Amino acid sequence: KAGVTQTPRYLIKTRGQQVTLSCSPISGHRSVSWYQQTPGQGLQFLFEYFSETQRNKGNFPGRFSGRQFSNSRSEMNVSTLELGDSALYLCASSLVVGPEETQYFGPGTRLLVL
Amino acid sequence: AQSVAQPEDQVNVAEGNPLTVKCTYSVSGNPYLFWYVQYPNRGLQFLLKYITGDNLVKGSYGFEAEFNKSQTSFHLKKPSALVSDSALYFCAVRDQVGNFNKFYFGSGTKLNVKP
Repeated sequence: KAGVTQTPRYLIKTRGQQVTLSCSPISGHRSVSWYQQTPGQGLQFLFEYFSETQRNKGNFPGRFSGRQFSNSRSEMNVSTLELGDSALYLCASSLVVGPEETQYFGPGTRLLVL
Repeated sequence: AQSVAQPEDQVNVAEGNPLTVKCTYSVSGNPYLFWYVQYPNRGLQFLLKYITGDNLVKGSYGFEAEFNKSQTSFHLKKPSALVSDSALYFCAVRDQVGNFNKFYFGSGTKLNVKP
């Protein structure tokens, strides 16, 4: 089975621009979560989607948004980029089967905001 | 509130020696605990998990973790460290929120294995 894939792997943007990141989960996985990883803040939960619905959201401003499509692929959008948005953005998918749920991560998209 | 603590930012160990990476947790219900490893410029890779059953859980690459309910700990261990084990290790706890689960990650511990 193919793992979680994320595109693009690297991205450079300037302040004020917007960016869209994509995540394709493992086949059959319906839950997709997004995390932001920075050296100072560690791993921070952004949001989770399940069956095209956002089920949970972390403490990020409204500039961060996402969506999930019917094939479970997910996109994350950040508008009006700030320097502090520079980070590794990780996507994780899971096959939700109750207590056995485990998240599997993609390689991440490294975003640099100049 | 659910939380995970990794008290050590960094652990140094010589190749061939046993290693331990510490993790303590705080949950309101049954703990579902995980360990992940992150190599440079890579995503997190699942190592092992504790859901229920035996307190000693075996995972990938020779790693194991011991669940200790009384000490609320889930330390990661390996009997003999390899230089290739050098990486960033994250402990995580999963909590059920309503009808879905939420994952909480520790701050990470950098493991340095020296030849």
